[in-house]
Amino acid sequence: KNQVEQSPQSLIILEGKNCTLQCNYTVSPFSNLRWYKQDTGRGPVSLTIMTFSENTKSNGRYTATLDADTKQSSLHITASQLSDSASYICVVSLPGAGSYQLTFGKGTKLSVIP
Amino acid sequence: DAGVIQSPRHEVTEMGQEVTLRCKPISGHNSLFWYRQTMMRGLELLIYFNNNVPIDDSGMPEDRFSAKMPNASFSTLKIQPSEPRDSAVYFCASNADGRDEKLFFGSGTQLSVL
Repeated sequence: KNQVEQSPQSLIILEGKNCTLQCNYTVSPFSNLRWYKQDTGRGPVSLTIMTFSENTKSNGRYTATLDADTKQSSLHITASQLSDSASYICVVSLPGAGSYQLTFGKGTKLSVIP
Repeated sequence: DAGVIQSPRHEVTEMGQEVTLRCKPISGHNSLFWYRQTMMRGLELLIYFNNNVPIDDSGMPEDRFSAKMPNASFSTLKIQPSEPRDSAVYFCASNADGRDEKLFFGSGTQLSVL
């Protein structure tokens, strides 16, 4: 069964610190791996997307990495801000299935405190 | 563009009552998805429409759930009769056909069935 496991389930960090969120997947083969940010009371918003052949992708203070051999991805947040407090969801798509067949992780809830 | 618009934002109802959730996708998007999100299970796909036609409703939990898309700019998700275990956040998402499976989510409807 295709699965996406995220860790930790929740994380509290001080403002200005860095953090790394993990995503392990069993989906194989896969087309894309995407990270979404979900603010409280809002829908998820796409942060980054990587194809299976990419190793890293940055979006401002967010950097996603992908190791297709170990089936692991990470999302690194640099110099965290209070506005980074949100849930971060890892999503893997199957080849050729587009937006139809996605496997979602349950997310990591990040709290950035002053 | 206003993004995906869902209504209502919050719905509190009693067990046995009918609930109707509404969604207006982004103009020009021809794929529409209904998701349910809970702490235990994360985001789950309920039903997927393409060009207003239901393509896959295998995620609809029971016959109590039904969805329609009468035109390209409107969709409804109905629960009749509602039960306490239906309490969750329901998201509508849309995107345009293509290789990029990025989803655009609405802000969701928080449903509480007492």
